[in-house]
Amino acid sequence: AQSVAQPEDQVNVAEGNPLTVKCTYSVSGNPYLFWYVQYPNRGLQFLLKYITGDNLVKGSYGFEAEFNKSQTSFHLKKPSALVSDSALYFCAVRPPHNNDYKLSFGAGTTVTVRA
Amino acid sequence: GAVVSQHPSRVICKSGTSVKIECRSLDFQATTMFWYRQFPKQSLMLMATSNEGSKATYEQGVEKDKFLINHASLTLSTLTVTSAHPEDSSFYICSAAGTSGRAEQFFGPGTRLTVL
Repeated sequence: AQSVAQPEDQVNVAEGNPLTVKCTYSVSGNPYLFWYVQYPNRGLQFLLKYITGDNLVKGSYGFEAEFNKSQTSFHLKKPSALVSDSALYFCAVRPPHNNDYKLSFGAGTTVTVRA
Repeated sequence: GAVVSQHPSRVICKSGTSVKIECRSLDFQATTMFWYRQFPKQSLMLMATSNEGSKATYEQGVEKDKFLINHASLTLSTLTVTSAHPEDSSFYICSAAGTSGRAEQFFGPGTRLTVL
């Protein structure tokens, strides 16, 4: 069975500083990995995904993530955080041979960027 | 592209009544739609998976007679909370998947249900 861990409930950074949100996964084979962001009382917005190819994936709003197979990680990063990046972030995984699109989500990490 | 809408965005109802929530994929056809429930500051809890034209597959512990799901077309799925009670109050989110070439799910904006 697949699982996703987001080891930090909260991440606090100052505006302009680098932002990292950690994610590790457990799944057999090469997984499909996703990051989503949720603003208060809203649905999830897709940020980026890793399917295959280059380990460094660039996504929306200046975010990027690096697939690290040896460490089974897919950390989300942004070089310079904005106050507007404050939100709830979810990492998700889908097994590679799963054709039903079902995702396993991490518990979420609340990011607060202070001005 | 890949926009998903939900209606209503917010609903308040009396205990014992039924509430229907619609989920529509606006600019693509979704072979699969998902319904989630989310409690404050928590992750999403998958309730059920629905495929167009077939019965929904419910996750363990989810009462299928209470949470009726219909996936009538490739662009519409509905969730009906029957005989709602205050403990059903929650944020319900749908998502759609299956548009060609895209592996991710696309989420609706959510529906806040409050049962008095």
